[in-house]
Amino acid sequence: SQKIEQNSEALNIQEGKTATLTCNYTNYSPAYLQWYRQDPGRGPVFLLLIRENEKEKRKERLKVTFDTTLKQSLFHITASQPADSATYLCALPYGNNRLAFGKGNQVVVIP
Amino acid sequence: DVKVTQSSRYLVKRTGEKVFLECVQDMDHENMFWYRQDPGLGLRLIYFSYDVKMKEKGDIPEGYSVSREKKERFSLILESASTNQTSMYLCASSSWTSGGWGADTQYFGPGTRLTVL
Repeated sequence: SQKIEQNSEALNIQEGKTATLTCNYTNYSPAYLQWYRQDPGRGPVFLLLIRENEKEKRKERLKVTFDTTLKQSLFHITASQPADSATYLCALPYGNNRLAFGKGNQVVVIP
Repeated sequence: DVKVTQSSRYLVKRTGEKVFLECVQDMDHENMFWYRQDPGLGLRLIYFSYDVKMKEKGDIPEGYSVSREKKERFSLILESASTNQTSMYLCASSSWTSGGWGADTQYFGPGTRLTVL
């Protein structure tokens, strides 16, 4: 069956360090992958989209990689700040305009 | 800026009541979605609509129905609310993508936290 896996344990990281999150998937062949940020009690907000022919995508302090051979995407927050504390979700298209979301990985940036 | 609004941020209802959750988007998106989100279970799709009066079941449609009479508005209906429908409900919209396996970026509303007593 199709599965998207993100680490269920929160990532606690010191301010200024790089946070790295992993999204692994099975039984999908996505042409692209998306990352969203979700703050407590709010809806997810789109951050980045990376296509299968792009090895890396950057937006300000965010960097995403996409390895279709490993079936994995890595999401990096460089020079992390307390305001980066949130849950980050990866999402894959799975047919007819639908997205399948991972359960998310919480990041806590410690000042 | 895309804006998706939901009728209530918090709602408390009693078991057996009929509940309406409304969602409005202002970007002329073809697609609209209703999800529920529970701790440890992530986002689960309840229903999806790709056009006015068109709908498709998602992963967990039981106990829910939907209505889309206008392009900008998508309603989720709980015909007879039950305690296991206590959850955060999220509406989203996106543009239609042709070609089979694509899915455009989704824009979410702020969510409605529904409690059924």
